[in-house]
Amino acid sequence: NAGVTQTPKFQVLKTGQSMTLQCAQDMNHNSMYWYRQDPGMGLRLIYYSASEGTTDKGEVPNGYNVSRLNKREFSLRLESAAPSQTSVYFCASSVRTESYEQYFGPGTRLTVT
Amino acid sequence: AQTVTQSQPEMSVQEAETVTLSCTYDTSESDYYLFWYKQPPSRQMILVIRQEAYKQQNATENRFSVNFQKAAKSFSLKISDSQLGDAAMYFCAYRRDDSNYQLIWGAGTKLIIKP
Repeated sequence: NAGVTQTPKFQVLKTGQSMTLQCAQDMNHNSMYWYRQDPGMGLRLIYYSASEGTTDKGEVPNGYNVSRLNKREFSLRLESAAPSQTSVYFCASSVRTESYEQYFGPGTRLTVT
Repeated sequence: AQTVTQSQPEMSVQEAETVTLSCTYDTSESDYYLFWYKQPPSRQMILVIRQEAYKQQNATENRFSVNFQKAAKSFSLKISDSQLGDAAMYFCAYRRDDSNYQLIWGAGTKLIIKP
């Protein structure tokens, strides 16, 4: 069972470039999440999708867009990358948003120069 | 707003000994959930243990247990018989028990296990 997968694992961008981080889960979960993790800080929620067809902003949504492509897939797009977006990005999923446990992917380390 | 504080950036313990990681939180809510997550070098977050605020009994999962002090807003994690595989970052997280499902995370504690 793959669980939550993310691509790519590493990425280097120049300021102003765009890219999409991909996330997929094979656990038939309804809810999916995008977090960023910065040194010395806890995870911060960027966007989440409570169910297929819905998305909502989290704590730090500025500079990002998301798409819930179907029940399995939830992508995060950086339209014009900035150095402040250098971070490790995690995708997670849960049965429902009310569920206790979130299952995390392995993360994407993004560097913006 | 809710906040979660982990005051120990790094802890070390001898293999087979016991270590306690601290977490305090600030909230005006009475119903909520608290979690400890482990992040090994592979970076994947793994749920270690959870505690419902309405339960007085402290949660336990094998060698992992918590000391939940609701009045003091304290939620520490005790790891008994520490093993090399326990080496990781440990994050404390808080979640409200209502329609706002957002997890609020502490900054993490790096746990080093000395062989």
